[in-house]
Amino acid sequence: DIQMTQSPSSLSASVGDRVTITCRASQSISTYLNWYQQKPGKAPNLLIFDASSLQSGVPSRFSGSGSGTDFTLTISSLQPEDFATYYCQQSYSTPYTFGQGSKLEI
Amino acid sequence: EVQLVQSGAEVKKPGESLKISCKGSGYTFSTYWIGWVRQMPGKGLEWMGIIYPGDSDTRYSPSFQGQVTISADKSISTAYLQWSSLKASDTAMYYCARHLKGGSSFSPFDCWGQGTLVTVSS
Repeated sequence: DIQMTQSPSSLSASVGDRVTITCRASQSISTYLNWYQQKPGKAPNLLIFDASSLQSGVPSRFSGSGSGTDFTLTISSLQPEDFATYYCQQSYSTPYTFGQGSKLEI
Repeated sequence: EVQLVQSGAEVKKPGESLKISCKGSGYTFSTYWIGWVRQMPGKGLEWMGIIYPGDSDTRYSPSFQGQVTISADKSISTAYLQWSSLKASDTAMYYCARHLKGGSSFSPFDCWGQGTLVTVSS
């Protein structure tokens, strides 16, 4: 299985801050990397797919980059509704593993 | 509108069997891979497996192979996740989700069900 490791596991930030979360794969996954946001009690929501493609309806303050084994999710200017847990996932080979999550708190 | 609607919460005893469902609408159900994801209380997301309803091609995570069965009935646009003998450790929220790209599983989950909470307790 491909292991996905996110850092940090948790972080505190303020409204307006620029935040970056990283995700590392245990082997190359090209750009088959997705990012999800999950709020408490809700299903995950797709933000970014194929490492850098913004899902329809997702605000442009979210962006993704990377290829191979190292990826980043950046939120350019945090809004109150962005405080949530973020997960990366590889869709290169099954099982399509998730990272352990990064909890973004105020 | 693409939508996945899951069956309701379940409370079961250890050793009992269970089958939960996920009904798709708003798209051609048979041509998109559907997956199941487990989230144990307070924990992260775990990929369990996927199925292509068109031909029932199924892939499992090694962690869940033999523990659950994923199936689908394309005639009623419904996917299933079932257990033959539940354990307390199966207590979790279970989500179904659809892959973004028709015919391809090399894509993210773009549409998620609301989740089914399964509680296993004696």
